Amino acid sequence: GAVVSQHPSRVICKSGTSVKIECRSLDFQATTMFWYRQFPKQSLMLMATSNEGSKATYEQGVEKDKFLINHASLTLSTLTVTSAHPEDSSFYICSARRPGPQQNTEAFFGQGTRLTVV
Amino acid sequence: DAKTTQPPSMDCAEGRAANLPCNHSTISGNEYVYWYRQIHSQGPQYIIHGLKNNETNEMASLIITEDRKSSTLILPHATLRDTAVYYCIVTLRGYSGGYQKVTFGTGTKLQVIP
Repeated sequence: GAVVSQHPSRVICKSGTSVKIECRSLDFQATTMFWYRQFPKQSLMLMATSNEGSKATYEQGVEKDKFLINHASLTLSTLTVTSAHPEDSSFYICSARRPGPQQNTEAFFGQGTRLTVV
Repeated sequence: DAKTTQPPSMDCAEGRAANLPCNHSTISGNEYVYWYRQIHSQGPQYIIHGLKNNETNEMASLIITEDRKSSTLILPHATLRDTAVYYCIVTLRGYSGGYQKVTFGTGTKLQVIP
């Protein structure tokens, strides 16, 4: 089946620094990818929709200047947490749906990135 | 997307069938029911989906009521590795002016007991 891969799986960074998380679709081209954030014991919250070749669409309340999304190719989307603070510590997960309206278009998820800001 | 309601938690004895209910009374005619699960500290895993017919795959069975207002995910022989949070999601299936985002509710935390 389709695989979506995230890197790194966990990262620790200092306050004020920026962290980049990569999301790759390994066996299909994804024109659209989704970024989620999950705090402990909570559900996944959609942050933004990443569109290849165009600007990302952010959910209400998500700061686009803080969470920079780049979707420069059909297999790679990146999320950069800029000027990270301890409250940005969370589990970040990306997702992509296999293209084709007549095909099985369930969403595939990456394994997640555990970000800890100290 | 239509809203879903699931019990917050359930227990199931190992080897027995786990039946996880989901209510989606506002589902529209072209929306599918998807089930995902999330094992601790991992990304969600797709399980199964359906429109109106019952579906079965190597992981589970999905029973959708005739009025489509509720469904049940069945894990026929639960194992300890099935302990996870199970999410029932209603969403459009394919491309319709843009891929529909998958929005998660709170899910059901299934604990399989030895």
